[in-house]
Amino acid sequence: DGGITQSPKYLFRKEGQNVTLSCEQNLNHDAMYWYRQDPGQGLRLIYYSQIVNDFQKGDIAEGYSVSREKKESFPLTVTSAQKNPTAFYLCASSIELTGVRFFGPGTRLTVL
Amino acid sequence: AQSVAQPEDQVNVAEGNPLTVKCTYSVSGNPYLFWYVQYPNRGLQFLLKYITGDNLVKGSYGFEAEFNKSQTSFHLKKPSALVSDSALYFCAVRVADSSNTGKLIFGQGTTLQVKP
Repeated sequence: DGGITQSPKYLFRKEGQNVTLSCEQNLNHDAMYWYRQDPGQGLRLIYYSQIVNDFQKGDIAEGYSVSREKKESFPLTVTSAQKNPTAFYLCASSIELTGVRFFGPGTRLTVL
Repeated sequence: AQSVAQPEDQVNVAEGNPLTVKCTYSVSGNPYLFWYVQYPNRGLQFLLKYITGDNLVKGSYGFEAEFNKSQTSFHLKKPSALVSDSALYFCAVRVADSSNTGKLIFGQGTTLQVKP
């Protein structure tokens, strides 16, 4: 997990609340990603960013939002519009879009 | 459609025996293939990749993978399994698209259980 930190490790949310998951990297990577992991479904791409102030939707962006104001940081907001947010969220980075992904330790979000 | 499949949800092997975790893919053009490992409640760790060249790719922790173009497979192997190899393994393929986004498609994962 070296070089990428995610916080918090566990997060509990009430229905109707927005929550923000933190992702920070000190690898000087340009590209960053957010994935969602559900049991038996592998990883699905939520959003990705190639450079600062630019990001693109992935396969399951509905109900999520991101920002990329700094190279090191790529926070993910899970909004109340996300109907089934309980999951394990993984942030990753790579030198460039076609590079090997380095993953953070993940945040487990549970909606109460 | 471009895809990757891991046909086994779980693989059980005895410590010291060889192990194989299977992966097949469907992709346009030349495939870029990856294996990652995930330990419980942790992020994924990169094991190895195939871009071009030798069909047998060597990676971390003694793992290797064999690229077979005719069978569209990229099976992960290790000659002698360790109990500490027990984890969730993901195969991934890079999507070929005109924008060169480098997007990866992940398989659903295979749990490897190595018993002493």
